[in-house]
Amino acid sequence: ETGVTQSPTHLIKTRGQQVTLRCSSQSGHNTVSWYQQALGQGPQFIFQYYREEENGRGNFPPRFSGLQFPNYSSELNVNALELDDSALYLCASSGTENYYGYTFGSGTRLTVV
Amino acid sequence: KQEVTQIPAALSVPEGENLVLNCSFTDSAIYNLQWFRQDPGKGLTSLLLIQSSQREQTSGRLNASLDKSSGRSTLYIAASQPGDSATYLCAGYIENYGGSQGNLIFGKGTKLSVKP
Repeated sequence: ETGVTQSPTHLIKTRGQQVTLRCSSQSGHNTVSWYQQALGQGPQFIFQYYREEENGRGNFPPRFSGLQFPNYSSELNVNALELDDSALYLCASSGTENYYGYTFGSGTRLTVV
Repeated sequence: KQEVTQIPAALSVPEGENLVLNCSFTDSAIYNLQWFRQDPGKGLTSLLLIQSSQREQTSGRLNASLDKSSGRSTLYIAASQPGDSATYLCAGYIENYGGSQGNLIFGKGTKLSVKP
């Protein structure tokens, strides 16, 4: 059974640029969620995808968008990067009922300069 | 607004001590609660999941309890070791109604340091 994998592990971007982060869900999981973790803070919910559609969203602006593919993998896209977008971005997968909890990936560290 | 609070924010103990980490939440609608470990700059490793119908879960030296009526969860670590040094996060799963699935609400974590 494979876990959640994220790529890339680290990324440096310039303010105003766009970035795409990728996530492969754990085998058997059909829901993917994305979280943003600023330094010294707990992760904050961005959005989640189920059956290739956004299925819940936190308090993040529209320049944060995503996709889910038929194999349940997912992308997080951020447009017009701001310095405050610098954070660890975590992807998590879960089953429909969340009965067995969430499995997280190792994260992508994004630095915006 | 659902909030999860973890106390203390940081804790330093000598090796071998038993310790308790606390987590409180404002919304009794939390469906289940999950404890995670996070090493510096790394992702989250799930430690224990307590489902809504359960009161506690145990795994090795770890024991977590959940009291939804009082809005509290505790993580008990027995015989702490230097390898336990990490940040421990608790997260409540909040169900959403009206068609969308729920999501996790995290505390800020407790940074644990176990001294040899």
